[in-house]
Amino acid sequence: KAGVTQTPRYLIKTRGQQVTLSCSPISGHRSVSWYQQTPGQGLQFLFEYFSETQRNKGNFPGRFSGRQFSNSRSEMNVSTLELGDSALYLCASSFRLAGGLAGELFFGEGSRLTVL
Amino acid sequence: AQTVTQSQPEMSVQEAETVTLSCTYDTSENNYYLFWYKQPPSRQMILVIRQEAYKQQNATENRFSVNFQKAAKSFSLKISDSQLGDTAMYFCAFAGTASKLTFGTGTRLQVTL
Repeated sequence: KAGVTQTPRYLIKTRGQQVTLSCSPISGHRSVSWYQQTPGQGLQFLFEYFSETQRNKGNFPGRFSGRQFSNSRSEMNVSTLELGDSALYLCASSFRLAGGLAGELFFGEGSRLTVL
Repeated sequence: AQTVTQSQPEMSVQEAETVTLSCTYDTSENNYYLFWYKQPPSRQMILVIRQEAYKQQNATENRFSVNFQKAAKSFSLKISDSQLGDTAMYFCAFAGTASKLTFGTGTRLQVTL
């Protein structure tokens, strides 16, 4: 069974640009969550999508957005990039809505974004 | 809001020895789950062990076990017979009714020969 796939794995952008990251969940998983990982702030929840609907959102500015497609693949977008957006962005999938969490989250390897 | 605290930024243990990683949390919820995730260098995060708050029995997965003290809001991870492959960042995480995980800041574990 293929794991969670995130693309691209590495990318470099400059301030003011925008970026789109993609996540393909494990087949059959309907929930996709996004987390930002930085040395200073650790792992912080961005949002979760389940059946194409955003179910929960973390405390991030509106520049961070996401969506989920009918095949459960998800994208997140960050507009007007700032230096502080440099981070590892992790995607995680689960069969059920993560809030139930009887099951585990399966993480991808992440997309490492560097903003110059 | 829930908080998760890991007070040990770094730890080191010799191969074959036992090490315990600490985690405390704060919540007003009664039903929740606690997790330990492992993130090896440049590799994806994987679940090590899970504890359901309503279960009094401590979870065990092979060499990994937890000491769950609900009243004290403590959730420590014990790794027995440490192996070089256990070298990683270990994150304690909390999941309640909200649809998300709240992570601690992590403990970097180095297993040495």
